[in-house]
Formats: sequence, C-alpha cells, structure tokens
Amino acid sequence: ETGVTQTPRHLVMGMTNKKSLKCEQHLGHNAMYWYKQSAKKPLELMFVYNFKEQTENNSVPSRFSPECPNSSHLFLHLHTLQPEDSALYLCASSQDGQGTEAFFGQGTRLTVV
Amino acid sequence: AQSVTQLDSQVPVFEEAPVELRCNYSSSVSVYLFWYVQYPNQGLQLLLKYLSGSTLVKGINGFEAEFNKSQTSFHLRKPSVHISDTAEYFCAVSDRGSSNTGKLIFGQGTTLQVKP
Repeated sequence: ETGVTQTPRHLVMGMTNKKSLKCEQHLGHNAMYWYKQSAKKPLELMFVYNFKEQTENNSVPSRFSPECPNSSHLFLHLHTLQPEDSALYLCASSQDGQGTEAFFGQGTRLTVV
Repeated sequence: AQSVTQLDSQVPVFEEAPVELRCNYSSSVSVYLFWYVQYPNQGLQLLLKYLSGSTLVKGINGFEAEFNKSQTSFHLRKPSVHISDTAEYFCAVSDRGSSNTGKLIFGQGTTLQVKP
C-alpha cells in the first residue's frame, strides 16, 4: 500500500498523441517530483515542485510539461513524444523538500510507438 | 555535484548466504543516504536511511547499512538472504544544504539474484 498513487499504470501512445500522467499523494507532503527510469540507466530527476512552485527543471525537453495545481497533485503532460521516451515514469513526494526521505508511487510504464 | 556509484551491477548469491551491496558517493557537502528496493513492475520502497546519529542503521526485511564518512561509503548488508529478496537495489544521496530541493541522486542499481 503506497501513499502515492499514479495513474495510469500502463500507457501506449503514438508520437502524435497528447496524454497526461497523474500523481496524487495522500501523505500531506509539500514537495513532489517526477523521475524517469529507462532500461540500463540510473533514475533521472525531471522536475521538482515545492509548495506548488517548480524549483527544478533538469533540462527536460519541452514535450514534457509538468503541472502542480496543489500540493497533493502532480501531472505530466505529454505531446509529440519520441520512441526513446519510452520508460517507467515515477512520481515521488517528500515532507518538506529538505531531502530527508521520498515516497514513490508505483510508476506509469509508458510506451511510445 | 553529487554522484553515487554502485560498484556491482549484479550480485548472485545462494539462499541463506550473507550479502553486501556496495555504494560509494561523492559530495562537497553533508548528505543524507538511502537504500531503496524495487521489485519487478513496482515503484521504489525505502529500505533504510541515514540522516544523523549512529552510523549503523537498520532497516526493513533484516537489512542494515553502515555509513563510513572517511571512505564515503554506505554499503548494504544482510546476514542471510531469502528468495524473496531478489530485486533491484538503489543507493541514493541527497544534499543537507539549505538550497536543497529534496531531490535524490541515484546510483545505477544492483540486481540481487538469490538462488535456491
């Protein structure tokens, strides 16, 4: 049982589609993160939000667009993706963005065809 | 800049044998250290963390890790593994500094394969 819920768990999309990934945390945390996990690569931090404000964008291409409407919800909007964007996308949250511990969702397995 | 190196990409071990998964980090500031486990098609679950205090930390499922500041290491150990411990293990570090956004920097991961 996790306090961070991601939907959908699996997504197949064409390169011209637009889709969104959703993350919701029920832990009362103030910081939320998007990570990308590709095969044979370390987890890559994509975006950081603290108190709904974006505090880090790790040089992510503009075809990935995050949105954080409140401290409990985080979205990743996708458009015009490439096959190399296929990966497991993980959402995480932490209490205060001070690096003490992050809780992860189960991820969305994205396949771009 | 911070970095994490997990020295072994795969560690095969027989059931009930001891295991050590190695992790070294580099950072110019004080850090927090973590080990996470990932089972197939799942997210990451925290095994244990070092924030301060005793350098030997105990986690879930019988795992423990020791923070060695002089060697900048945080190796994970278990005295007797089970088949169910087969998974991917990730070492991670975060910056204690005031400018920290709470982000974690991960190592490449170590696949623990427990054989019967």
